[in-house]
Amino acid sequence: AQKVTQAQTEISVVEKEDVTLDCVYETRDTTYYLFWYKQPPSGELVFLIRRNSFDEQNEISGRYSWNFQKSTSSFNFTITASQVVDSAVYFCALSESGNYGQNFVFGPGTRLSVLP
Amino acid sequence: DTEVTQTPKHLVMGMTNKKSLKCEQHMGHRAMYWYKQKAKKPPELMFVYSYEKLSINESVPSRFSPECPNSSLLNLHLHALQPEDSALYLCASSQAIGPNEKLFFGSGTQLSVL
Repeated sequence: AQKVTQAQTEISVVEKEDVTLDCVYETRDTTYYLFWYKQPPSGELVFLIRRNSFDEQNEISGRYSWNFQKSTSSFNFTITASQVVDSAVYFCALSESGNYGQNFVFGPGTRLSVLP
Repeated sequence: DTEVTQTPKHLVMGMTNKKSLKCEQHMGHRAMYWYKQKAKKPPELMFVYSYEKLSINESVPSRFSPECPNSSLLNLHLHALQPEDSALYLCASSQAIGPNEKLFFGSGTQLSVL
């Protein structure tokens, strides 16, 4: 069975601090996809990144970076120099190779509060 | 246009009412989804439409009835709901259904059942 764990329920940081959101996943598939979504107070989930299981390259996009490590089944997300606008709930999600609409498993989410 | 638009944004209904939630996308996506999200929880899949046909129904009670009139529109008809059905209802779309598809979400309808 596939599973996604985000151990940090809530994190508070002060603006300009760096913060890392942890994601640990569990799957028996060799082919799978990992995602991060952001849900600001307005409600919509916003896609941030997709990574397939064969691509372990880390990725940087502006202040955001992602560290994918298959050896520890982790796909962690770092925000550098956090800003108040980064305050949101962040979901990590896993999709296995046989997923055609269903079984897109979200983690429980991490609520990030960035204080001015 | 990369938006998924949902109406209404807020809805209060009694247990005997009939109401509908609407979702629209103009990205040419052929898969559309309804998710239910309770407070402080991740979204839970309810229904998936692929090419306007119901592909997946995740054992949702019959008081929720989805409809996909065309490739751009998705409705969720509500009837005889219970207070525990109060939640944020999110619509999403993707180019197709598949394991690597990105989902594009609307901002949801916050539903309260009294």
